[in-house]
Amino acid sequence: GENVEQHPSTLSVQEGDSAVIKCTYSDSASNYFPWYKQELGKRPQLIIDIRSNVGEKKDQRIAVTLNKTAKHFSLHITETQPEDSAVYFCAASITGNQFYFGTGTSLTVIP
Amino acid sequence: EAEVAQSPRYKITEKSQAVAFWCDPISGHATLYWYRQILGQGPELLVQFQDESVVDDSQLPKDRFSAERLKGVDSTLKIQPAELGDSAMYLCASSPNRAPGPGNTIYFGEGSWLTVV
Repeated sequence: GENVEQHPSTLSVQEGDSAVIKCTYSDSASNYFPWYKQELGKRPQLIIDIRSNVGEKKDQRIAVTLNKTAKHFSLHITETQPEDSAVYFCAASITGNQFYFGTGTSLTVIP
Repeated sequence: EAEVAQSPRYKITEKSQAVAFWCDPISGHATLYWYRQILGQGPELLVQFQDESVVDDSQLPKDRFSAERLKGVDSTLKIQPAELGDSAMYLCASSPNRAPGPGNTIYFGEGSWLTVV
């Protein structure tokens, strides 16, 4: 089955700096890659996603890049704010049917 | 905005007791998932339903866990007997599309926290 690895496991940045979280996947058949944000005690919420026919997608301060050849994708958060502090999970999906999650990155934005 | 409903939010049970969790997916969502999330880790799939049928339960410890979605709407996950290692958050999720395809994303419930003592 698919194996998704996520790095780093913890990340601290100063407010206003950028944060980058990286994920790799093993199955070249994976073609959909969502990112979820989970605040303490709350449900994971979809923040951005990308399909395999696109190399980059941006939504305000959040962007995701995908390198199919290298089988890795990354989440970029610019101008970080304290409310960005949370755990972020990447996922890889084959045909949007089964989803495999990374182990999560705990992001702390220091005011 | 429609949400996936789960109950109870928190449950403390003694080991060897039975425990059950309930999930009501977003209306019209055909696919329902149960995930287990241990603190500090990502969600791991336990079971996936398409309507009332199980499509993947390969990671479900069937000696103690069972899941059903009798009418293809809400679902129940049961653990009997509970063990200390079952302490985790149990997340229910649903997705809308009957035909899988890129962009068929999943929406999570708030989760049910289980502590086995």
